[in-house]
Amino acid sequence: QVKVVESGGGVVQPGGSLRLSCAASGFNIGTNFIQWVRQAPGKGLEWVGIMQKDGSNQYYTDYLKGRFTISRDLSKNTVYLEMNNLRLEDTAVYYCAQGTGWVADSWGQGTLVTVSS
Amino acid sequence: EIVLTQSPGTLSLSPGERATLSCRAAQTVPNNYLAWYQQKPGQVPRVLIYSASTRATGIPDRFSGSGSGTDFTLTINRLEPEDFAVYYCQQHAHAPLAFGGGTRVEMK
Repeated sequence: QVKVVESGGGVVQPGGSLRLSCAASGFNIGTNFIQWVRQAPGKGLEWVGIMQKDGSNQYYTDYLKGRFTISRDLSKNTVYLEMNNLRLEDTAVYYCAQGTGWVADSWGQGTLVTVSS
Repeated sequence: EIVLTQSPGTLSLSPGERATLSCRAAQTVPNNYLAWYQQKPGQVPRVLIYSASTRATGIPDRFSGSGSGTDFTLTINRLEPEDFAVYYCQQHAHAPLAFGGGTRVEMK
């Protein structure tokens, strides 16, 4: 069964950093695309970024470039979202989703990141 | 970046009625790579339609997608109680893969 599970969320102060994990099962992250999407409380979906299945490139929404970085560990079949210099407006549920193409075929349950002083 | 605008913001309908949701792109979506997602309250989004008109696995045929270029439509025939939710479009042609702002389909 194809599944992704996020972890690593929590409360962090403004300016802090956090690394989220997206653990995959039922498929190899080297054969599928993994994208990150976030949703602020009561708001719509906001696309964060995607990692190519061969790991050659990562793409991000323009205003997050430089603060957010997607990486992966093939041996752990896990993709990461490193978030730096966090701001209040980064507070959201962060989802990872997988697909054989750039469509988000299946999603994790999400992990909540709260940026608060 | 391809900006997507969804309308209306909210649609108030009764079960059994037809819902017509619009997603307009600021520029042509290559290959009509436009997807629709459904998100019910407290739940994770799920894909309904991709490539403008292809239903995802397990999606009932009352959901249909159409359109090309810059104008796309999601139609839900004979609304069921479980269809009342928020719907988002997303282009999956090239990064950044932005979402539209969403349309809430609520029960009248």
